[in-house]
Amino acid sequence: RKEVEQDPGPFNVPEGATVAFNCTYSNSASQSFFWYRQDCRKEPKLLMSVYSSGNEDGRFTAQLNRASQYISLLIRDSKLSDSATYLCVVTQYNFNKFYFGSGTKLNVKP
Amino acid sequence: EAGVAQSPRYKIIEKRQSVAFWCNPISGHATLYWYQQILGQGPKLLIQFQNNGVVDDSQLPKDRFSAERLKGVDSTLKIQPAKLEDSAVYLCASSLSRVGAELFFGEGSRLTVL
Repeated sequence: RKEVEQDPGPFNVPEGATVAFNCTYSNSASQSFFWYRQDCRKEPKLLMSVYSSGNEDGRFTAQLNRASQYISLLIRDSKLSDSATYLCVVTQYNFNKFYFGSGTKLNVKP
Repeated sequence: EAGVAQSPRYKIIEKRQSVAFWCNPISGHATLYWYQQILGQGPKLLIQFQNNGVVDDSQLPKDRFSAERLKGVDSTLKIQPAKLEDSAVYLCASSLSRVGAELFFGEGSRLTVL
């Protein structure tokens, strides 16, 4: 079983739409959670960390549900520039191992 | 602050040839990672170093891949001999060795095996 699972998409949405991605993780001992963004032919970059209480950064909201072992990312008022692949990442504290999902591709259309 | 440096950015070789990639992490980052990313997939961990010691190399194909991190700073990843299925982007990343630390990536080395 994979450590982290995501719907690969693609999610095709119009500008201004609200879109949500979910991700599930298998190890209940996972401790830190992140969303990374990866543009085409670029390296992944941190979008935001995910905290138990949920957190928001502008148009982006991340939630963690430890009981159900899933993480979500909500993007409001989608922009063309949001088109990218969104990677769900979890870590375990044994030597800070990072486990990546396969990514969810988002295409925002005019 | 300088980011993670990798070279070469691109490499094209024929199968059965060898190739080496170099990585210099962010200064002060004790943990260094090599990931393989095949098109359409998420990064897959090949090897993780803590200073100059190996923490995890369970997914490194040791019959053809090797990596070292002498002196606990920069690192090299070697493939010998290369196979067609090794065509991928090899991403180096580094992080501080503390709970919740962010992972920083280099721009990657794109390998094409013909």
